[in-house]
Amino acid sequence: EPEVTQTPSHQVTQMGQEVILRCVPISNHLYFYWYRQILGQKVEFLVSFYNNEISEKSEIFDDQFSVERPDGSNFTLKIRSTKLEDSAMYFCASSEYAGTNYGYTFGSGTRLTVV
Amino acid sequence: GQQLNQSPQSMFIQEGEDVSMNCTSSSIFNTWLWYKQEPGEGPVLLIALYKAGELTSNGRLTAQFGITRKDSFLNISASIPSDVGIYFCAGQRQGNQGGKLIFGQGTELSVKP
Repeated sequence: EPEVTQTPSHQVTQMGQEVILRCVPISNHLYFYWYRQILGQKVEFLVSFYNNEISEKSEIFDDQFSVERPDGSNFTLKIRSTKLEDSAMYFCASSEYAGTNYGYTFGSGTRLTVV
Repeated sequence: GQQLNQSPQSMFIQEGEDVSMNCTSSSIFNTWLWYKQEPGEGPVLLIALYKAGELTSNGRLTAQFGITRKDSFLNISASIPSDVGIYFCAGQRQGNQGGKLIFGQGTELSVKP
């Protein structure tokens, strides 16, 4: 079964550093998403991306965050100047179209720890 | 904001018991989804519901999309130890074009053998 692949599985970074979280969406998918889950809390939407631009973003997704599809396969989330409260699991997802009945699939996540 | 209220927050049950959890919202959703999450993993889709009133089963799991489109429930029958995990409801709002999902707070299920 096709998978969304995320790397690294765990990233530890110093406060103030920049991190890039990487995702390889399912190959025929056109919509890409990032979600965040702070430990013990619910999964929260960050951003959706289609046709090389952001379709929608949440209040969490401020100027500290950016997304990019640098080539035909990767989708990245960059967090500039990380803060302690950025520590969370970050999940990438992809779907063929915007609806949930189009193979909407989550990756296994990257655990980001900011120290 | 757009909130999904999921209950109960946690459940401790004996193997073989049935389980029921639900989600409600003050807003209308056009899709309801139920996910299971195990430690260190991403959410895995269990059941997707697309029509008001729809009742769908997946093995021992049954979920329904409420008639008002503002609620959904998930039942697990004859629970087994591998049912342990956190169950999340999620919804997609009517008219949402970007594919955003809104998640409930989760129900943590513990099953005693």
